[in-house]
Amino acid sequence: NAGVTQTPKFQVLKTGQSMTLQCAQDMNHEYMSWYRQDPGMGLRLIHYSVGAGITDQGEVPNGYNVSRSTTEDFPLRLLSAAPSQTSVYFCASSQPRTSGTGELFFGEGSRLTVL
Amino acid sequence: AQKITQTQPGMFVQEKEAVTLDCTYDTSDPSYGLFWYKQPSSGEMIFLIYQGSYDQQNATEGRYSLNFQKARKSANLVISASQLGDSAMYFCAMREGLTGGGNKLTFGTGTQLKVEL
Repeated sequence: NAGVTQTPKFQVLKTGQSMTLQCAQDMNHEYMSWYRQDPGMGLRLIHYSVGAGITDQGEVPNGYNVSRSTTEDFPLRLLSAAPSQTSVYFCASSQPRTSGTGELFFGEGSRLTVL
Repeated sequence: AQKITQTQPGMFVQEKEAVTLDCTYDTSDPSYGLFWYKQPSSGEMIFLIYQGSYDQQNATEGRYSLNFQKARKSANLVISASQLGDSAMYFCAMREGLTGGGNKLTFGTGTQLKVEL
């Protein structure tokens, strides 16, 4: 079972470039989300989705776009990268609480550096 | 105000000893869930244990137990019989509301645990 797959694992960008972090899950989970992890700050929610076609903003959405056209995929787009977006990005999926604890299943993370 | 507070940036414990990692939370929602995740140096996030606000008993999963004190708003993780492989960063997290909402989690800043021989 692949679980949650993120690509790429590492990326270096120049300021102003755009890119897409890919996320795919094969567990048929309804919910998907993106977090960023910065030193000393834990993980912070960027965007999340409760199903195909439905997305919403989290705590730190500025500079990022998402879409969810299928249950499996939830890409995160950086439209014009800034050094402040240097971080480790985690994609996660989960089922509603009614199906269990609702714990998040995380991908392995994508380390992004913006120069 | 911080919703999740982990006051111990770093902890040391000797192998085979028990260790408690502190977590306090702040919410006005009567329905919430508390999670602990482990992040080893390899970087992945591993789910350890869950406690719902209405659960009557403290959660346990193998060597992990959650000391849930609702009135104090604390959800400390207890690891018994520490092993070298327990060396990692540990995050406490909270979901407000028990159903729906996308399972959005608020994370603490983490505690770095080092297990020594």
